[in-house]
Amino acid sequence: NAGVMQNPRHLVRRRGQEARLRCSPMKGHSHVYWYRQLPEEGLKFMVYLQKENIIDESGMPKERFSAEFPKEGPSILRIQQVVRGDSAAYFCASSPRSFSPLHFGNGTRLTVT
Amino acid sequence: DAKTTQPPSMDCAEGRAANLPCNHSTISGNEYVYWYRQIHSQGPQYIIHGLKNNETNEMASLIITEDRKSSTLILPHATLRDTAVYYCIVRVVNAGGTSYGKLTFGQGTILTVHP
Repeated sequence: NAGVMQNPRHLVRRRGQEARLRCSPMKGHSHVYWYRQLPEEGLKFMVYLQKENIIDESGMPKERFSAEFPKEGPSILRIQQVVRGDSAAYFCASSPRSFSPLHFGNGTRLTVT
Repeated sequence: DAKTTQPPSMDCAEGRAANLPCNHSTISGNEYVYWYRQIHSQGPQYIIHGLKNNETNEMASLIITEDRKSSTLILPHATLRDTAVYYCIVRVVNAGGTSYGKLTFGQGTILTVHP
């Protein structure tokens, strides 16, 4: 049973470009969470999605960031017009039910130049 | 979610038990204690969780005090590969609001296992 798959593993974008981060949850998992870890800082919750629905986006910046989890396909975290402060590791986690343990992927490391 | 307090760092000799403490004095009756760890450059790894009874799995044991205000994660025979940041997290079991299911990470304990 494959774990949570995130791609790309590393992503380099110039300021002003768009970044699209993909997350394929574990088989049978319909709950997806996105976290961000800035350099030398802790993990910060961004958004919690259940198939086709955003349940909690209290940690998402109000502008430029969006997330989706369509009926078919991976969850996507989209960052428009990236800035240097967006450089971070972005982790996705999934679970089969809302209160089951979360299982994390190994993240996408975004570098904005 | 209730706040947790962990020592910033701990050392342990390889082969010995590592006992990682966590205080969660404001924990509510509907909150579980979860432990995760993060090895450098990897995603957090689930270790164990419990409500009020002690728990054991293939990775670790979790000892929760009777009043539930503190807990200890025990790695019975630490290896060099157990060097990581260990996070103790209190997580709501059920809630009517929008924060259910979310894990809130603190600063954790940096455990260094020495040869």
